[in-house]
Amino acid sequence: DAGVIQSPRHEVTEMGQEVTLRCKPISGHNSLFWYRQTMMRGLELLIYFNNNVPIDDSGMPEDRFSAKMPNASFSTLKIQPSEPRDSAVYFCASSLGVSGGRTQYFGPGTRLTVL
Amino acid sequence: GENVEQHPSTLSVQEGDSAVIKCTYSDSASNYFPWYKQELGKRPQLIIDIRSNVGEKKDQRIAVTLNKTAKHFSLHITETQPEDSAVYFCAATIQGAQKLVFGQGTRLTINP
Repeated sequence: DAGVIQSPRHEVTEMGQEVTLRCKPISGHNSLFWYRQTMMRGLELLIYFNNNVPIDDSGMPEDRFSAKMPNASFSTLKIQPSEPRDSAVYFCASSLGVSGGRTQYFGPGTRLTVL
Repeated sequence: GENVEQHPSTLSVQEGDSAVIKCTYSDSASNYFPWYKQELGKRPQLIIDIRSNVGEKKDQRIAVTLNKTAKHFSLHITETQPEDSAVYFCAATIQGAQKLVFGQGTRLTINP
C-alpha cells in the first residue's frame, strides 16, 4: 500500500522563481496537511484541507504562498516568488480525519533550497 | 489556541538506560496526544498515541503517561538502544479537531 507521495524530493531554485510542490495523499484519506520544517522554527503547520476544502490556512506565512487541492488525490503548494528564507523541508501528511482517527501519515518531504 | 511545550530539547543517555521526555499543553479540551519519531533525514512517524480517557499506554519498550489535571504527558523509553537515537515530537489536538499542535522536539542520543 503506497504511503503519501511527494514530488520533487529535492528542489534547488533561484530567488524570485516560482516553486510548486506536489502531494498525493493515501487513498481514502480525507484530510491533508502541509508542514514546513526548519531548525529555527521546528515543524509548522501551513494549511490543511478536509474533503478538498481548505479549513485552516493561518500558518501560511504570506501571500507568496498558496495551496490547492483540486481533488481527493492531489494537492499543490506554490511559492511565488521564492526567497532564500523559504529554504526548508516541506512535508505533506494525510489522515482519515476525526471520524476515522487522527493519526497523520507523513510523506518523505521536499527539501527546498532557494539561492 | 493550543500551545505545547516540550522538554528537554536535547537528551543523551547510555545504552540500556531509560529516557523520559515531557510535554505540557494549554488547552484543557485537548484529548488526543500522539508522539512522533523522526530519524535524521527521514519523515516523522507515529510511534504511540494516547487519548484523554486513558492514563497510560504501553507498547513494548515505549510508554506514554497522561495527567489531565496537570495538563502534561510524557514519553518513556526503557532499555534504550542505538536505533532509538532520533528527534521525538509530542503533539496535542482538541476534541473534534484535526489540527495537531507540535512541541519543539527533543533530540535523543543513545551513547553506546
